[in-house]
Amino acid sequence: QSALTQPASVSGSPGQSITMSCTGTSSDIGSYNYVSWYQQHPGKAPKLLIYDVKNRPSGVSSRFSGSKSGNTASLTISGLQAEDEADYYCSSYTDSNTPVIFGGGTTLTVL
Amino acid sequence: QVQLVQSGAEVKRPGASVKVSCKAYGYKFNGYGIHWVRQAPGQGLEWMGWISAYNGNTDYAQKVQGRVTMTTDTSTSTAYMELRSLRSDDTAVYYCARGTTVTTVNSDFDYWGQGTLVTVSS
Repeated sequence: QSALTQPASVSGSPGQSITMSCTGTSSDIGSYNYVSWYQQHPGKAPKLLIYDVKNRPSGVSSRFSGSKSGNTASLTISGLQAEDEADYYCSSYTDSNTPVIFGGGTTLTVL
Repeated sequence: QVQLVQSGAEVKRPGASVKVSCKAYGYKFNGYGIHWVRQAPGQGLEWMGWISAYNGNTDYAQKVQGRVTMTTDTSTSTAYMELRSLRSDDTAVYYCARGTTVTTVNSDFDYWGQGTLVTVSS
């Protein structure tokens, strides 16, 4: 099972909004609403930001939002802050013999 | 509060086995699943497998199937991941993470352990 496809990097200035993508197939993102997004700062464990495509866990800022269209999921961060600089990973349930796959990760740089 | 506390770093020779523990605090252990995710140096996240702390059912990634065993001890609220026949490309930080469902696999991991570095080197 191939990994989900994420851009290697995105960047934005403080206060701006950015959107990063996560592209899969009809075997994963296209068929299931089980897409999650994680934020990982260097040397730290990942943190759940979005689950089931668009839901935010308690305590996660409303600046983070998720969506999906076809085989592609997206994470939007509004009002960029310096602390948002991190790596972001998407994951999805899949009907393959490896039921969970991750994207390769996107590094967000806040200019 | 919910916490997952993992065992310490390990250095192993190629061909050896490693067993990493993950002790849960602050929630009903058998009400959730535990996933294991690893991250090689400078690389992305890789899902390894899942175990239900309710009934012990497991599901493993094809890449490690046959070399990995995941278990739980509900009396101590601890999950274990054993990886055998270690190779240099198994060098990674291994994370346990709580899954939000207990009897099925999903991709929502709401709490993570601090990670355990496993180094495989001759």
